[in-house]
Amino acid sequence: DTGVSQDPRHKITKRGQNVTFRCDPISEHNRLYWYRQTLGQGPEFLTYFQNEAQLEKSRLLSDRFSAERPKGSFSTLEIQRTEQGDSAMYLCASSPHGSKPNTGELFFGEGSRLTVL
Amino acid sequence: AQRVTQPEKLLSVFKGAPVELKCNYSYSGSPELFWYVQYSRQRLQLLLRHISRESIKGFTADLNKGETSFHLKKPFAQEEDSAMYYCARTHASKSPTQGGSEKLVFGKGTKLTVNP
Repeated sequence: DTGVSQDPRHKITKRGQNVTFRCDPISEHNRLYWYRQTLGQGPEFLTYFQNEAQLEKSRLLSDRFSAERPKGSFSTLEIQRTEQGDSAMYLCASSPHGSKPNTGELFFGEGSRLTVL
Repeated sequence: AQRVTQPEKLLSVFKGAPVELKCNYSYSGSPELFWYVQYSRQRLQLLLRHISRESIKGFTADLNKGETSFHLKKPFAQEEDSAMYYCARTHASKSPTQGGSEKLVFGKGTKLTVNP
């Protein structure tokens, strides 16, 4: 499967613990996005990278959240001192922006579900 | 703030009946509009984009700038169409194909159930 992959698929943690999610985009895609989805809501934008540069962060991304894409390939999203309100599905997506064909389509992973007890 | 409104949380139709999933968006610039679909136990995937003006799996969507709507339609629903459908717009006024980002604003989604 050459699609976007995310790990772990499901994480259960206690309040106050740190968690890290990993996303491996489609190999030739230079843009990588993180979204968060809570129950009954559509995905909400968190941040995105073009290669290794983080170009934009949402106000939803508090200082407990940090995302990296050190070599322009895989990305990690770390949440420090988790709170119950962080419980959500964290979705990663990639796009071949700047290369053909560039349709504006986002290719999503299956998501990492976080449950904070 | 950019918004996408899907007024129906749930929509249930019988096989062979027409279906319309409503979507309205906040007006700002010239956004690109998309419909994404998530079938059971599958990842979110693109169904169609307004700029391509194509029909995918029998679905079409027409952008109505006057009403700021982008409703998704299919004349004869099939059981395999049962899924969550999300309408989305680009956040920026510059389209991805013009160098803008693929940052999207999604609606809350409509769960379509097609009954046999």
